[in-house]
Amino acid sequence: GAVVSQHPSRVICKSGTSVKIECRSLDFQATTMFWYRQFPKKSLMLMATSNEGSKATYEQGVEKDKFLINHASLTLSTLTVTSAHPEDSSFYICSAPSARGSYNSPLHFGNGTRLTVT
Amino acid sequence: DAKTTQPTSMDCAEGRAANLPCNHSTISGNEYVYWYRQIHSQGPQYIIHGLKNNETNEMASLIITEDRKSSTLILPHATLRDTAVYYCIVRVVEGGTASKLTFGTGTRLQVTL
Repeated sequence: GAVVSQHPSRVICKSGTSVKIECRSLDFQATTMFWYRQFPKKSLMLMATSNEGSKATYEQGVEKDKFLINHASLTLSTLTVTSAHPEDSSFYICSAPSARGSYNSPLHFGNGTRLTVT
Repeated sequence: DAKTTQPTSMDCAEGRAANLPCNHSTISGNEYVYWYRQIHSQGPQYIIHGLKNNETNEMASLIITEDRKSSTLILPHATLRDTAVYYCIVRVVEGGTASKLTFGTGTRLQVTL
């Protein structure tokens, strides 16, 4: 079964509004989780690393004030797209490691959230 | 993380083995090779990973060359459901820290009847 749960799977919002996406690690308490973004027919691009108990680490070119990340607990990270615009329409995917203590354990991914901003 | 090179696309007949190559000639000693696949409109699915020995699980086999500069993912009996984009990723693994995955463009595998 799924080890990373992401919600919602789809969301449509109006320009200027904010949208929150939740990512839950179901079988592992994750101090680190990752957020990716994917445009049509393109590969996944890492946006940021979510760190429990501290600030997220953003990749170059990703606006931290626009994409707010909160790692509220060891099993929950949220991504809030603030003041969304049509160009923010994309597929957002989170990931989390699968096992503590195994440093090479694979990351597992949620099923993604398709955001459409009208 | 070291870069990888994969063919853009491949075809495979259903029931046959699918052999997906990956070149990672600049891989470092502390980097593992991971394979994921992504079926349309879903999140990536973990398949297998290895350091230097060949690995096998219920989904696939991973063959890594002795010099670790390339690897091959083998799906022994491909089915239509294996049609997906397959990503070969080399990932630095550090003790106690979950490190990121950097995705390339992958190989689009089309399994046909």
